Amino acid sequence: DQQVKQNSPSLSVQEGRISILNCDYTNSMFDYFLWYKKYPAEGPTFLISISSIKDKNEDGRFTVFLNKSAKHLSLHIVPSQPGDSAVYFCAAPREYGNKLVFGAGTILRVKS
Amino acid sequence: NAGVTQTPKFQVLKTGQSMTLQCAQDMNHEYMSWYRQDPGMGLRLIHYSVGAGITDQGEVPNGYNVSRSTTEDFPLRLLSAAPSQTSVYFCASARGVAKNIQYFGAGTRLSVL
Repeated sequence: DQQVKQNSPSLSVQEGRISILNCDYTNSMFDYFLWYKKYPAEGPTFLISISSIKDKNEDGRFTVFLNKSAKHLSLHIVPSQPGDSAVYFCAAPREYGNKLVFGAGTILRVKS
Repeated sequence: NAGVTQTPKFQVLKTGQSMTLQCAQDMNHEYMSWYRQDPGMGLRLIHYSVGAGITDQGEVPNGYNVSRSTTEDFPLRLLSAAPSQTSVYFCASARGVAKNIQYFGAGTRLSVL
């Protein structure tokens, strides 16, 4: 049972435009969400998070939106840069401790 | 600042062989985890630890053992490797107050023939 779903395996965007990466979840008990970014041959790195008490969190060019009624969140990158080309994972903690559930990831390609 | 260090980076095993993937962190983090990444499936939690001497199973623990005798080290043992364990393995650590913001190593790419 994949509790966190990223239905778009890949996304291609022109430099300077907006990138929108989507994530859906099925477990209504999730109350915190994270986005991780991964470059080839490296481990994932934390990018941005959002608590379920908010519907938006912004950090520079990165904004995450949460729609609890739709069980949907999205990551917006504005403006997109070639260095943003990476795999983006959506994740949520399950139960207590550090048990993260990850989506399958979306490959973002930003063309210059 | 080393962060999370995984060794080896690459490994090829034959079916039935055993090996240990090493993971060490120098950030004094309480929490450590092992994940495997497979195509189309994201990262799946194998085992995790909330402190020295305390470990527990994640989503896909079968075929793997762990122990945590020190805060710094969290080795993952494959007792009898199977082709289904061909994957990229990531170790991660986190502080207690921000346990979901995990710091990952660079990964170990394992092939089991």
